[in-house]
Amino acid sequence: AQSVTQLGSHVSVSEGALVLLRCNYSSSVPPYLFWYVQYPNQGLQLLLKYTSAATLVKGINGFEAEFKKSETSFHLTKPSAHMSDAAEYFCAVSFNFGNEKLTFGTGTRLTIIP
Amino acid sequence: GAVVSQHPSRVICKSGTSVKIECRSLDFQATTMFWYRQFPKQSLMLMATSNEGSKATYEQGVEKDKFLINHASLTLSTLTVTSAHPEDSSFYICSARRTGSSYNEQFFGPGTRLTVL
Repeated sequence: AQSVTQLGSHVSVSEGALVLLRCNYSSSVPPYLFWYVQYPNQGLQLLLKYTSAATLVKGINGFEAEFKKSETSFHLTKPSAHMSDAAEYFCAVSFNFGNEKLTFGTGTRLTIIP
Repeated sequence: GAVVSQHPSRVICKSGTSVKIECRSLDFQATTMFWYRQFPKQSLMLMATSNEGSKATYEQGVEKDKFLINHASLTLSTLTVTSAHPEDSSFYICSARRTGSSYNEQFFGPGTRLTVL
């Protein structure tokens, strides 16, 4: 079964510091990987996605993620945190054609320290 | 593009009543829509997959007679919580998969906060 693990349910960084949110997946076949952001009482917004093209994926709001097959990881980074980045972040995985389900990680709450 | 709306955004109802939540894809067609439930400070739990013109597929442990799903058109799916009880209070989120999409990207609605008194 497909699964994704997010290490760290809470991450705090200072404004201007590097943001690193970790995501590892479990799969025996090539995955599709996604990062979503959720602001309070709102739905999910797609930050970026990996679909077997370039391993370094750039998304919105300055975020990027690198797919590392050898480490089964898809960590999310941003060079310089902004106060507006405070939110809940979810990593999700999907596999192959015909299996349309997204499996979500448990989420990481990002807090930005002024 | 790829906007999904939900209505209502918030609903409060009395125990025993039924509540209908609408999910619409505004600028694309969605053969498949998904319904999720999210408890406070937790991740999204897939409840069911809704396919236009056919019966929904429910995840294990989700009561199909309690959570009725109808996907009557390529832009509209509805979730009806029947005989709602306080334990049904939650944040319900729908998503839509664009028809013809090849990598399962889902576009999410803003969610509906259901409170059952």
